[in-house]
Amino acid sequence: SQTIHQWPATLVQPVGSPLSLECTVEGTSNPNLYWYRQAAGRGLQLLFYSVGIGQISSEVPQNLSASRPQDRQFILSSKKLLLSDSGFYLCAWYRTDTQYFGPGTRLTVL
Amino acid sequence: AQSVTQPDIHITVSEGASLELRCNYSYGATPYLFWYVQSPGQGLQLLLKYFSGDTLVQGIKGFEAEFKRSQSSFNLRKPSVHWSDAAEYFCAVGGYSSASKIIFGSGTRLSIRP
Repeated sequence: SQTIHQWPATLVQPVGSPLSLECTVEGTSNPNLYWYRQAAGRGLQLLFYSVGIGQISSEVPQNLSASRPQDRQFILSSKKLLLSDSGFYLCAWYRTDTQYFGPGTRLTVL
Repeated sequence: AQSVTQPDIHITVSEGASLELRCNYSYGATPYLFWYVQSPGQGLQLLLKYFSGDTLVQGIKGFEAEFKRSQSSFNLRKPSVHWSDAAEYFCAVGGYSSASKIIFGSGTRLSIRP
């Protein structure tokens, strides 16, 4: 069966520090992958998606970037975090017209 | 453009009472429709989905939803809620993008009154 992992589960970072969040999927090959952000008490905002290795599409211009160095790995990065980057980051993968979500990473920028 | 509206931000229901969460969508063709549930600090879990066929869809945890094309709605129902149903519920629409993107509503927070 397929499993999606996100690491780390929680993260507290100072403003201006770099960021790297990782998402990995097991049990499938060449999945579509997605990064979402959920601000406190808000809905989900699609940040990036990828349909294959090295293929990244950005939905919202921002302080973040994404990369897909391997088939089942999706990384969200920032060179310098802003306070507004705080939130709950969710990774998802796609199968048979449905997206399935990972457990999320809680990021607090201080 | 595609959009999803969940008009109720917060609903409180007594344990054992029935539940209906509203969802309206805007889409030019037959949409793919989803309901997800999110417990505090957790990821989203798929409750049910509609792609075609029978307009009444059964999901996990005793939930069901009915697709009404004439009303552009996909409301979620449960005959008798349990305290463990307290969570955030998201309606979503997809099927419009070659990249399989989906659009989420803003969510409805469900509280259960003992």
